[in-house]
Amino acid sequence: GAGVSQTPSNKVTEKGKYVELRCDPISGHTALYWYRQSLGQGPEFLIYFQGTGAADDSGLPNDRFFAVRPEGSVSTLKIQRTERGDSAVYLCASSFALNEQYFGPGTRLTVT
Amino acid sequence: GIQVEQSPPDLILQEGANSTLRCNFSDSVNNLQWFHQNPWGQLINLFYIPSGTKQNGRLSATTVATERYSLLYISSSQTTDSGVYFCAVDQVGNDYKLSFGAGTTVTVRA
Repeated sequence: GAGVSQTPSNKVTEKGKYVELRCDPISGHTALYWYRQSLGQGPEFLIYFQGTGAADDSGLPNDRFFAVRPEGSVSTLKIQRTERGDSAVYLCASSFALNEQYFGPGTRLTVT
Repeated sequence: GIQVEQSPPDLILQEGANSTLRCNFSDSVNNLQWFHQNPWGQLINLFYIPSGTKQNGRLSATTVATERYSLLYISSSQTTDSGVYFCAVDQVGNDYKLSFGAGTTVTVRA
């Protein structure tokens, strides 16, 4: 079946603007994760959903970042008042229960 | 949090050569995954291997959980094997949060 999909693939925004990044997990996967990857580094955990609720949001850098998963499937990562330091690739992953995680292609966010 | 160290950081191979990548981790883990990140940035699952040995074509992996390390073997390397290889683990008690190493950048030359 289809893998994890993310939209948009690229997003360029101006400093101070609001952005939304979307993740569509693999059908039937109960767990959904967001990670962020800066250039030359491995991905870093942001937030984990089990069903509709955020089970662990300890990786979100500050309160400008927020994520939702209202129906237990698609998730949206929201960033308010974007800063240049938010520029990175945002990766979404999903898994069945707490098993192997599968990643989407990522959204490359550039804040100018 | 758990520390994940990968070595070597960079590896240059001639096509057809064999290589071994290493991943050391600082605490007990539930899950260990190896990924290949291709030039377009996609993370491709190679192995889900919290313990034991697995093989998939020219690739194989071994995890010795009691000694806190994992090895990824690439045999008869091809130019398409180029990219960054990541090891990621989740720590016992945080069995959903993958912690990644810094990766090994592999370049295979024709």
